This record gives sequence, C-alpha cells and structure tokens, in this order.
Amino acid sequence: EAGVVQSPRYKIIEKKQPVAFWCNPISGHNTLYWYLQNLGQGPELLIRYENEEAVDDSQLPKDRFSAERLKGVDSTLKIQPAELGDSAVYLCASSLGASTYQETQYFGPGTRLLVL
Amino acid sequence: DAKTTQPNSMESNEEEPVHLPCNHSTISGTDYIHWYRQLPSQGPEYVIHGLTSNVNNRMASLAIAEDRKSSTLILHRATLRDAAVYYCILFGHAGGTSYGKLTFGQGTILTVHP
Repeated sequence: EAGVVQSPRYKIIEKKQPVAFWCNPISGHNTLYWYLQNLGQGPELLIRYENEEAVDDSQLPKDRFSAERLKGVDSTLKIQPAELGDSAVYLCASSLGASTYQETQYFGPGTRLLVL
Repeated sequence: DAKTTQPNSMESNEEEPVHLPCNHSTISGTDYIHWYRQLPSQGPEYVIHGLTSNVNNRMASLAIAEDRKSSTLILHRATLRDAAVYYCILFGHAGGTSYGKLTFGQGTILTVHP
C-alpha cells in the first residue's frame, strides 16, 4: 500500500516568491493534515481537513498561507509571498477519519523549504 | 491542550531495553496516550497508543501508570534503527479539548550505541 506522497521533497526559493506543496493521502483516508516543523522542534498543525472541509485552520497564517483540498483527495498548501521565516519542513499526514479514538496519522516524508 | 513532559535525550546500547518516560499530570479522562517517533529526514510514524491498560505491539510496549499521570514506552531490544526522536502525545476523544489534534512537544532524542 502506498503511503502519503508529497512533492516536491525540496524547494529553494527567494523571499517574496510564491511556493506550493502537494500532498496525496493514503487511499480511503478522509482526514488530511498539514503540519509545519521548524528545526529542532516537533511538528505543529496548520490545518486539518475532513473530506473537503477545513475543520481546523486556526493555526494557519491566513495572510500568506492558503490551502485547498478539492474533491476531498489531494491537497495543496501555498505560501504567497514567502518570507525567510517560512524555511521549515512542511509535513502532510492522513488518517481514516477523526471520529475514532484510535485515530492513527500517517505522515509523508515532508517538503523541506529554504527561503533565501 | 494537555501537556506532556519528556527528557530531552536518552542513550542506550544496542540490544538492551530502553524505557522512555513521559509525564502527563493534566491528562483528562478522554485523552489517549499516543507515541510517535521520527527518524532522521522522515515524517513521524505511529508507534503505539493506550488509554488505561498496558499495551504491546510488534514495535514496543506501553506501560501506563494507574493514575494515568505518566507512561513509559519500552523498546525491548534497541537497534541502531531505533535511533529517533520519540514523541509522547495526548490525543483527545471526541468532545475533548485535544480532539483530532496531535500536539507534538520536543520529544526525546534517543541515541543507540553499537
């Protein structure tokens, strides 16, 4: 079974440029998460989707970050414009559905972003 | 969100057991205790979870204190591949304050010596 797929794996851009990350969750998983991980820190949730609906985006900096999950499958996370402080690893995860207490999240390998 | 406290780092020798502690004194009755680990340059991966009783799976064992204010992840025979950051996380059942949300702390960096 294929795991969570993310692309690109690495991205280097100059500040003020836009950037987008793509995530393909495990087939059949209704819940999708985007996390941000700074160096030496644990991941922090940015946004959680239940199917197509963003049910928790309280930690998403909406002035420059946006996300979408069309058709309730793939998702993209966009930053426009990127700032130096956005350099981090962006992780995507998926799970069957957050309605069960035994929810296990499966993570992709992440996209490592460097903003120059 | 309920918080967990873990040592910053621990060391072990290969093929020896490892006991990774976690304190969660403010745990609520609806919080499950989850452990994830993150190998270098990879995303986190699920290890084990439990509510009240001790749990075993092919990767590890989870020992939960009777008052649920602490737990211990046990790796029975550490290998070099177990070197990772281990996160203890309280995951909320529906209706709890931490519902649907993995709140990672800084975790414990486990070093395994050959």
